[in-house]
Amino acid sequence: GAVVSQHPSWVICKSGTSVKIECRSLDFQATTMFWYRQFPKQSLMLMATSNEGSKATYEQGVEKDKFLINHASLTLSTLTVTSAHPEDSSFYICSARDGVSGKETQYFGPGTRLLVL
Amino acid sequence: GESVGLHLPTLSVQEGDNSIINCAYSNSASDYFIWYKQESGKGPQFIIDIRSNMDKRQGQRVTVLLNKTVKHLSLQIAATQPGDSAVYFCAETGETSARQLTFGSGTQLTVLP
Repeated sequence: GAVVSQHPSWVICKSGTSVKIECRSLDFQATTMFWYRQFPKQSLMLMATSNEGSKATYEQGVEKDKFLINHASLTLSTLTVTSAHPEDSSFYICSARDGVSGKETQYFGPGTRLLVL
Repeated sequence: GESVGLHLPTLSVQEGDNSIINCAYSNSASDYFIWYKQESGKGPQFIIDIRSNMDKRQGQRVTVLLNKTVKHLSLQIAATQPGDSAVYFCAETGETSARQLTFGSGTQLTVLP
């Protein structure tokens, strides 16, 4: 149980294009999902908290118009990197928390590696 | 601001030995702690968690110890195996309404043959 998937697992795109990353909770309902960014050899940095049916809450320094988050259902959240630039290249990871059980544990997806050329 | 930190960035142990990974936290309001294992190119994998009303919790080959007096958390891995080689992160949840996690910097565990 508690499986979270991400798609795609990796993507290469040209500068200026937009990229959408999907995060799905496969066997539980996630009222809250989180999006993280991770650079090589570094820890996870929280970008935003995504609540089903409401606007995401972004961490300080994260541009909400740059990183669009949609959490339209209890099992799906999407992160769209708009007008991507090389500095947006990174490992993006989502996590989800089981809203029905009330457990606090966050379960993570396998991550999406983005390379912007 | 509040932060969670790790004492050692790297740890090498012989296969079969026990491993101890340490973590210090500074937020006295933290009440829930999790250890994650992250292998290269993958997302973090849940290992074990502990609430602040406990000081020890055991899982399969792993034990988490919590010392609230000195704000210290440790992960013990018994009979370390090559498959345990990974980066280990501690994370804590404080008093934010969304219960976000704050991650430590990570410890790279290398298991030597």
